[in-house]
Amino acid sequence: DVKVTQSSRYLVKRTGEKVFLECVQDMDHENMFWYRQDPGLGLRLIYFSYDVKMKEKGDIPEGYSVSREKKERFSLILESASTNQTSMYLCASSLGQRFSVGANVLTFGAGSRLTVL
Amino acid sequence: GENVEQHPSTLSVQEGDSAVIKCTYSDSASNYFPWYKQELGKRPQLIIDIRSNVGEKKDQRIAVTLNKTAKHFSLHITETQPEDSAVYFCAAKRQSWGKLQFGAGTQVVVTP
Repeated sequence: DVKVTQSSRYLVKRTGEKVFLECVQDMDHENMFWYRQDPGLGLRLIYFSYDVKMKEKGDIPEGYSVSREKKERFSLILESASTNQTSMYLCASSLGQRFSVGANVLTFGAGSRLTVL
Repeated sequence: GENVEQHPSTLSVQEGDSAVIKCTYSDSASNYFPWYKQELGKRPQLIIDIRSNVGEKKDQRIAVTLNKTAKHFSLHITETQPEDSAVYFCAAKRQSWGKLQFGAGTQVVVTP
C-alpha cells in the first residue's frame, strides 16, 4: 500500500508565525499535491509538483509556498500564518503522467488540522 | 479553467434505498471523472472513476454514468447501507496534464 504520511495531525499557531507542514510518500510517486479542505468548499488545490524542484500553483496559492527538494517529500509553508488559514490540509500523491494505469489516482495523507489564533 | 458543481450538498436516505449524486463540469476537454469517498475522520479514497470513452461503469453497488454532451456525470449507490454514510466528492480533469478539479462534496447519511 502506498503510504502518504503527514508529520503533524494537529497544530496550533499564532498569527504571523511561520508554519511548515511536511508530507512524505514511500512509493516513488512522481506527483504530489497540497489541498485545503473547508466545509462546503470541497478540496481546493494550493500547489502541486510533478517533479523534484518543480512546482505549479493551484487554485489558491496566495499566502503559501512549497518545497520539493527530494522526490518523496513535499512541504507546504505558510510564511506568516493568518486566521483565515485555519483549515484541514491534505497532502496527496499520484503515480504521474508517464504511467497509464492509475496515473491519476490520488492517495491522500491523514490530514493536518491547523488552527491559527 | 475547469469548474465542477456538485448537488445535493446533503442527502439523507433510508437504508436499502438508492442515492444519486450529480455533478456538472465546464471544460469540454475534461475526460477523466473520479469519485472519492471520505468517511468521518478519515482520508478521501477513490471509489470509482470513469473515462470519457465510456458511458457507464459499475462496481458492485456503485455505478457512475457520464453524459459528455450535457457535461454531467452521476454517482449511483444502490441498496444503501450504514457504511455508505460519508462525504462524496466528484472531480474532473483532462487525461493529459491538468489539475483535478473537485466538487464541493455531498454529505450522505444513511438512516437505519
